[in-house]
Amino acid sequence: ELKVEQNPLFLSMQEGKNYTIYCNYSTTSDRLYWYRQDPGKSLESLFVLLSNGAVKQEGRLMASLDTKARLSTLHITAAVHDLSATYFCAVDPSNTGNQFYFGTGTSLTVIP
Amino acid sequence: NAGVTQTPKFQVLKTGQSMTLQCAQDMNHNSMYWYRQDPGMGLRLIYYSASEGTTDKGEVPNGYNVSRLNKREFSLRLESAAPSQTSVYFCASSGRFPGQGGKLGYTFGSGTRLTVV
Repeated sequence: ELKVEQNPLFLSMQEGKNYTIYCNYSTTSDRLYWYRQDPGKSLESLFVLLSNGAVKQEGRLMASLDTKARLSTLHITAAVHDLSATYFCAVDPSNTGNQFYFGTGTSLTVIP
Repeated sequence: NAGVTQTPKFQVLKTGQSMTLQCAQDMNHNSMYWYRQDPGMGLRLIYYSASEGTTDKGEVPNGYNVSRLNKREFSLRLESAAPSQTSVYFCASSGRFPGQGGKLGYTFGSGTRLTVV
């Protein structure tokens, strides 16, 4: 059974602090996607990681992919309240784009 | 604005009732998907359509049927709703792969919050 596990599931952090969200997956996948979901809203694409060693950064978020370890990380630098949301990773083991498997999500709350 | 449009946004059904969730995209994407989102379980794929005229089961297809009416539209039908189908349903589409132009990954609709009582 394919598993995509994120940890932590819940994260409360103070503004200005750094933290990392981890995404482990149990099958071979060259691609990994990160999405953000605000409460009651849809999912918004954050990062697309296409190969081993890929690193993408936007603002205070940086994502990386290690396909050999089957691990992706989402690093938050100097958190601000606007980053409060639920973050999902997803893998595409078939590389066809036709069946993403999503993690359970990490609910992030940034406290002033 | 280009994107994925879902209707309705909210729905309450009685057990045994039927309904169809509608989804349309205007990005000329080939592939469309239906997911359900339940607390603590992430998103799970119900059905997908890789191209017009084709549909395939995903991870949790039982109790659902789909129709890919044309390239733009992909509907999800609950023939006899059950309380276990209370969930938030998302439609998504995707249209390209690395090396092609445009945006990678899925574009999601705004979701349908369905309650079955």
